[in-house]
Amino acid sequence: DTAVSQTPKYLVTQMGNDKSIKCEQNLGHDTMYWYKQDSKKFLKIMFSYNNKELIINETVPNRFSPKSPDKAHLNLHINSLELGDSAVYFCASSQAGIQETQYFGPGTRLLVL
Amino acid sequence: EDKVVQSPLSLVVHEGDTVTLNCSYEVTNFRSLLWYKQEKKAPTFLFMLTSSGIEKKSGRLSSILDKKELFSILNITATQTGDSAIYLCAVELNTNAGKSTFGDGTTLTVKP
Repeated sequence: DTAVSQTPKYLVTQMGNDKSIKCEQNLGHDTMYWYKQDSKKFLKIMFSYNNKELIINETVPNRFSPKSPDKAHLNLHINSLELGDSAVYFCASSQAGIQETQYFGPGTRLLVL
Repeated sequence: EDKVVQSPLSLVVHEGDTVTLNCSYEVTNFRSLLWYKQEKKAPTFLFMLTSSGIEKKSGRLSSILDKKELFSILNITATQTGDSAIYLCAVELNTNAGKSTFGDGTTLTVKP
């Protein structure tokens, strides 16, 4: 019954590694997002995809690359992980544009050592 | 299963009105409750509440948490059209996984 799911929920890795976080939504939504939550709890949007097409690409390092194999999935791949990448990453989806209610996944806590 | 329920789902008021948005939760291992305002882009952080009975204020917005009754309210006084947005409530869990559960949001429309 989970509407927006993310895997893994918890990820600990060494600097320099490459890792992926997966997101899936079963709501039939057209738009999906990736957010990074910083230590002050601010949610910063990273990417947004609408029907598998990139529509928002905020200023994030090139090491972050989203991939949307279909409109129900939006995965986040991170190359050459750095200490500053440690954060909680949230996936979300909405029916239409960013003004619409977004449904959030549970978050993935990434810890880079 | 962890649950965060916001009410009402939508609300239409006129400028100058005062509104109260509700957020109730049933979670294991509560750490904090967060309120966000979502307009055109990413949700913006409003408040983080960890202790019962301590009101947090920012201008016309204020929020308070009741950990005994498991709810929080967000008050907006003297509403303005710029307050029109979706207000999200999220509960952080006190686990290593850092899991958060979001409510479905309350859509507030403030008419001139």
